[in-house]
Amino acid sequence: AQSVTQLGSHVSVSEGALVLLRCNYSSSVPPYLFWYVQYPNQGLQLLLKYTSAATLVKGINGFEAEFKKSETSFHLTKPSAHMSDAAEYFCAGGYSGGGADGLTFGKGTHLIIQP
Amino acid sequence: EAGVAQSPRYKIIEKRQSVAFWCNPISGHATLYWYQQILGQGPKLLIQFQNNGVVDDSQLPKDRFSAERLKGVDSTLKIQPAKLEDSAVYLCASSLDIAETQYFGPGTRLLVL
Repeated sequence: AQSVTQLGSHVSVSEGALVLLRCNYSSSVPPYLFWYVQYPNQGLQLLLKYTSAATLVKGINGFEAEFKKSETSFHLTKPSAHMSDAAEYFCAGGYSGGGADGLTFGKGTHLIIQP
Repeated sequence: EAGVAQSPRYKIIEKRQSVAFWCNPISGHATLYWYQQILGQGPKLLIQFQNNGVVDDSQLPKDRFSAERLKGVDSTLKIQPAKLEDSAVYLCASSLDIAETQYFGPGTRLLVL
């Protein structure tokens, strides 16, 4: 069974600093991977998606993630944090096995931006 | 393009009562998902539909939860009877087809007292 692990339930960075949110997956089959962002009382918004076309994936709002098969990782980064980036971030994995492709989510990382 | 619509947005009920949630996916999306998000956790898949057929309901507590998508468009999720541990946000998502990007609705926040 596939699992997704996000290291750190809370990450705090200063405005303008590098953002790094960690995600590791376990799967015998290379999955497709996502990062979603959730603002308070809202649904999940897709940041970016990895589907094996390229290992470095660029998303919205200046975020990007790199798929590293050797490390089974898909960490999310942004060079310079902005106050509006404060939110909950979820890494999720899935693969189309016989049509069932419901996503497996990590527990989430709450990103705090210090002024 | 309109997103995934869900109603109600909030619901408070007492344990042992029943409750139903409604989801209208993005137009033309064949695949529809219901997820349960308990406070402090990531969403967990409850059920996946492809058109009006069930693809995966392995994590749906079938003794109390039921879901349908009779005409292959909108869907309802029902809980009967509700338990305290059902307090959560219920998220609906849809995708154009299997293995396509899933788009999420705003969710229904359920509190069971």
